[in-house]
Amino acid sequence: GQQLNQSPQSMFIQEGEDVSMNCTSSSIFNTWLWYKQDPGEGPVLLIALYKAGELTSNGRLTAQFGITRKDSFLNISASIPSDVGIYFCAGLSNSGYALNFGKGTSLLVTP
Amino acid sequence: NAGVMQNPRHLVRRRGQEARLRCSPMKGHSHVYWYRQLPEEGLKFMVYLQKENIIDESGMPKERFSAEFPKEGPSILRIQQVVRGDSAAYFCASSEGTEGSQHFGDGTRLSIL
Repeated sequence: GQQLNQSPQSMFIQEGEDVSMNCTSSSIFNTWLWYKQDPGEGPVLLIALYKAGELTSNGRLTAQFGITRKDSFLNISASIPSDVGIYFCAGLSNSGYALNFGKGTSLLVTP
Repeated sequence: NAGVMQNPRHLVRRRGQEARLRCSPMKGHSHVYWYRQLPEEGLKFMVYLQKENIIDESGMPKERFSAEFPKEGPSILRIQQVVRGDSAAYFCASSEGTEGSQHFGDGTRLSIL
């Protein structure tokens, strides 16, 4: 599968701060997805992006599909303790169904 | 519960035994995907199935691993003669169509003694 690079690998922030993480690829994707995974659970879909340049929000989360179709970023505003978890980006491959995942960004939020 | 259901949540097997992992997709979803996750890694695609058909198994090892999605009942991922390297979390996802977003179950954590 295609390689996705997520950064940063981990973040340690205080409650109330804004967070930004991104994902880059050497390949073009037609769909970008952002998931959050809590320990012992499966990934939960946060935001799906289907068009280059698209900017989509879901509550305090905002994600953008890069214009080159090779990158995406996720912002979390005014973080809260329950934002703790691992955030994964995923690109839908040319096959149209296999997701290629990054290695994740681990987020820790202190009260 | 309308979500993707996987069982068992935890499975312990000795080397050489068989492991059977089950997945019931969300109601109305006919597309099922299996992924494997190693510690501190992202998920890796294994196989994509529709009812009674394997569409793409390119991510699945050619030996010992098999998957099915029968007309009735859950999708099954079967690992024969397990080895220590099979220890991982196995996740199932389902979607309404290939264009739709994939929704994941909570996984089966397989441990090989």
